[in-house]
Amino acid sequence: AQSVTQLGSHVSVSEGALVLLRCNYSSSVPPYLFWYVQYPNQGLQLLLKYTSAATLVKGINGFEAEFKKSETSFHLTKPSAHMSDAAEYFCAVSRRNSGGSNYKLTFGKGTLLTVNP
Amino acid sequence: EAGVTQSPTHLIKTRGQQATLRCSPISGHTSVYWYQQALGLGLQFLLWYDEGEERNRGNFPPRFSGRQFPNYSSELNVNALELEDSALYLCASSLDRTQFFGPGTRLTVL
Repeated sequence: AQSVTQLGSHVSVSEGALVLLRCNYSSSVPPYLFWYVQYPNQGLQLLLKYTSAATLVKGINGFEAEFKKSETSFHLTKPSAHMSDAAEYFCAVSRRNSGGSNYKLTFGKGTLLTVNP
Repeated sequence: EAGVTQSPTHLIKTRGQQATLRCSPISGHTSVYWYQQALGLGLQFLLWYDEGEERNRGNFPPRFSGRQFPNYSSELNVNALELEDSALYLCASSLDRTQFFGPGTRLTVL
């Protein structure tokens, strides 16, 4: 079974500071990894995805993530936080089931990012 | 290009009633996934429909059911509502491995 662990349910940074949100995964086969962002009372917006091409993935809004197989990690970073980045962030993993092609997502519990002025 | 749409935005029901939630995928997407986001439980996979068929379901009781129509839109039905069914229900559509989510339906069971 696949799983995702997001370290830190709440991360607080100052505006302009580095954002680092941690994600570790467990999967018996090469995973596909995603980061989504959720603003209050909204759905999930795709930030970026890793699908076995380049290990450093660039996404929207200045975010990027690096796939590290040896560490089973896919941490999300942004060099300089903006007030508009305040939201909840979810890391997710999908894989091909042994009997088919179900790409259901397994999510971490989420990290709430607060940006202080 | 229009994104995934869901209706209604909010739904208030009483215990024991039935709820019907609707989802329209991005044009050209044939797969629809349903997820439940309940307070304290996180995001959990509910159902997957592809080409009109239910392909997989998560660890939810049979009173959670649905269908996919020929135009690939989907409906989620929840029968015999319980208080713990109160949650945000998210629909996602995909063509390959990448899922795009709608804004969700907030279901409140009183």
